[in-house]
Amino acid sequence: AQRVTQPEKLLSVFKGAPVELKCNYSYSGSPELFWYVQYSRQRLQLLLRHISRESIKGFTADLNKGETSFHLKKPFAQEEDSAMYYCALRPNNAGNMLTFGGGTRLMVKP
Amino acid sequence: DVKVTQSSRYLVKRTGEKVFLECVQDMDHENMFWYRQDPGLGLRLIYFSYDVKMKEKGDIPEGYSVSREKKERFSLILESASTNQTSMYLCASSSPGTGGGKAFFGQGTRLTVV
Repeated sequence: AQRVTQPEKLLSVFKGAPVELKCNYSYSGSPELFWYVQYSRQRLQLLLRHISRESIKGFTADLNKGETSFHLKKPFAQEEDSAMYYCALRPNNAGNMLTFGGGTRLMVKP
Repeated sequence: DVKVTQSSRYLVKRTGEKVFLECVQDMDHENMFWYRQDPGLGLRLIYFSYDVKMKEKGDIPEGYSVSREKKERFSLILESASTNQTSMYLCASSSPGTGGGKAFFGQGTRLTVV
């Protein structure tokens, strides 16, 4: 069975500092990886997915199959980045089930 | 604008009650999900449905059942509510295939069982 681990429950940085939210996964095949974000009082929403190789709101994430990681990075954190971030995995042979990690709360201090 | 709507934002129920949580989506999605969200535990999948009347158990199905009689509606049922089912419940939907990883979430239902 697949598993997603986010080792940090809380990450606190100052505005302008670099941010890295860690995500590790275990899955025997080639999964799809995603980052979801939940801002205060808003719905959980997709931030980015590894297959798109996109940068959203300055965030990027690279899938490292050797280390089974999909860390989320941003070079300069903004206060509006404060939110709950969830890493998610979709197995490539299991339809459309999404497995989520425990989440990391990012706090960006002024 | 795509929409997943959960019938209640807040619910307070008594131990032993049968509880229904309703979710409706207007995107004609085949897939629908029920998760519970708890601090430190993230989102845990309760049940998943990939078509009308079709369902699969997720990671924590015990104490729950689901119903999907119409494509747009997915109901979560707590047969006999217990205090350990106090949580935030999130419904989501997605389309199959390459779109399957992009799930759209409802606003959540915070259930308190007393």
